[in-house]
Amino acid sequence: AQRVTQPEKLLSVFKGAPVELKCNYSYSGSPELFWYVQYSRQRLQLLLRHISRESIKGFTADLNKGETSFHLKKPFAQEEDSAMYYCALKASGETSGSRLTFGEGTQLTVNP
Amino acid sequence: NAGVTQTPKFQVLKTGQSMTLQCAQDMNHNSMYWYRQDPGMGLRLIYYSASEGTTDKGEVPNGYNVSRLNKREFSLRLESAAPSQTSVYFCASGRLAGGFQETQYFGPGTRLLVL
Repeated sequence: AQRVTQPEKLLSVFKGAPVELKCNYSYSGSPELFWYVQYSRQRLQLLLRHISRESIKGFTADLNKGETSFHLKKPFAQEEDSAMYYCALKASGETSGSRLTFGEGTQLTVNP
Repeated sequence: NAGVTQTPKFQVLKTGQSMTLQCAQDMNHNSMYWYRQDPGMGLRLIYYSASEGTTDKGEVPNGYNVSRLNKREFSLRLESAAPSQTSVYFCASGRLAGGFQETQYFGPGTRLLVL
C-alpha cells in the first residue's frame, strides 16, 4: 500500500525567504504526485502535478525517485502563500476513478 | 457553474442518529469521491465512484454507505453516527486532464459534530 508523509505539521517563514515543504512517499510502482493547497476559507485545490513540470504561483516540485521525495519549493515566499498544503499520490495504472493518498498536511505561515 | 456543492455546511448529531450528506457536481465529471479530514491525518478516502452506477470502498469505509444517484450526485450516509465520525467531510469530482491524469475538484466541506 502507498503512503505519503509530510514531516512538518507547521512551517513558519518570513516574507521573501525561501520555503521548502517536504513530502516523502512509499510506493512500489511509478507514482503520480500532486500538491494540493487550501487557503483560509477556500476549497482545497490543485496546485501542481509532477508530470506537468510546471511552476504555479512561483512554486515548483521535482520528483526524486531515488529519495522517494516530492518537495515543494519557492525561492521567495509571499504572505498570500500562507495556507495548508497537502502532498498526494496516485498509484500508476489508474485513470478515471483514481484514488489519491494524501499526506497529513503542512500549515505554512508566511510572516511579514 | 457552481462546481461541486455540498449540503449541509454544518451539522450536529447525537450518537446513534443517522444522516445523509449530499454532494452534486455540474461539471459532467465521471468520478466522485468522499473524504474525511481530521487534524494531523490529512484527507482519507471513504468511498469513491469511478462512474455512474459503480461505487468502491476507500481507506476508511466502516460506518458509511454511499449512493451514486446519477452522474451529478453522490451521497454519503451515516446510519448510526458515532463520536469518532466527528470530522470535516469533503466531496470531490474528477476529470481526466491531458488524457491520462485526473484532476480532482473539491466541494466546500461539511463540518459534522457527533455528540
